[in-house]
Amino acid sequence: RKEVEQDPGPFNVPEGATVAFNCTYSNSASQSFFWYRQDCRKEPKLLMSVYSSGNEDGRFTAQLNRASQYISLLIRDSKLSDSATYLCVVTHNDYKLSFGAGTTVTVRA
Amino acid sequence: DGGITQSPKYLFRKEGQNVTLSCEQNLNHDAMYWYRQDPGQGLRLIYYSQIVNDFQKGDIAEGYSVSREKKESFPLTVTSAQKNPTAFYLCASTKDRSSYNEQFFGPGTRLTVL
Repeated sequence: RKEVEQDPGPFNVPEGATVAFNCTYSNSASQSFFWYRQDCRKEPKLLMSVYSSGNEDGRFTAQLNRASQYISLLIRDSKLSDSATYLCVVTHNDYKLSFGAGTTVTVRA
Repeated sequence: DGGITQSPKYLFRKEGQNVTLSCEQNLNHDAMYWYRQDPGQGLRLIYYSQIVNDFQKGDIAEGYSVSREKKESFPLTVTSAQKNPTAFYLCASTKDRSSYNEQFFGPGTRLTVL
């Protein structure tokens, strides 16, 4: 079983729609959680951290469910510029990151 | 501007040849990392270095080698022993070991073995 699993998508949504997707992780001792964004053929960039109480950053909302071992990302009022692959990232206590394969979101006009 | 540079952007190599990928950062970061990315897979850690003159194997170090002689440089050599080297290689850095979760990535090198 992969350490971090994501639905690859693609999620095709119209502009203005809300899109949400999850990521599951297998190690119950995982400590920290993040979403990175990767544009086509570019490097990943940190989008946001995921806190236990849930957190928002503008149109983006991240949630963590430790009991069920998943994190989620919700994008409200989608923009064309939100089209990207979103990578779920999990850390342990060994100063390394574990990356999911990514969920692709395509926002259409 | 501070950042990470990787060169070359595209690299073609014949089977059996060693090749070295460059990674330079001027962010004054202590820690540097090398990943490879394959279609449909998450980034996988090859090697990482938390301080100059020290580095550790990641999850898929076989067929790769690195050096960390200078703080700003962390070159990766893909040797002929690497069975399937065609991939997108990404270098990253963090301020120090404790901030390993906020990784800054370079633009990557696409290696193709012909």
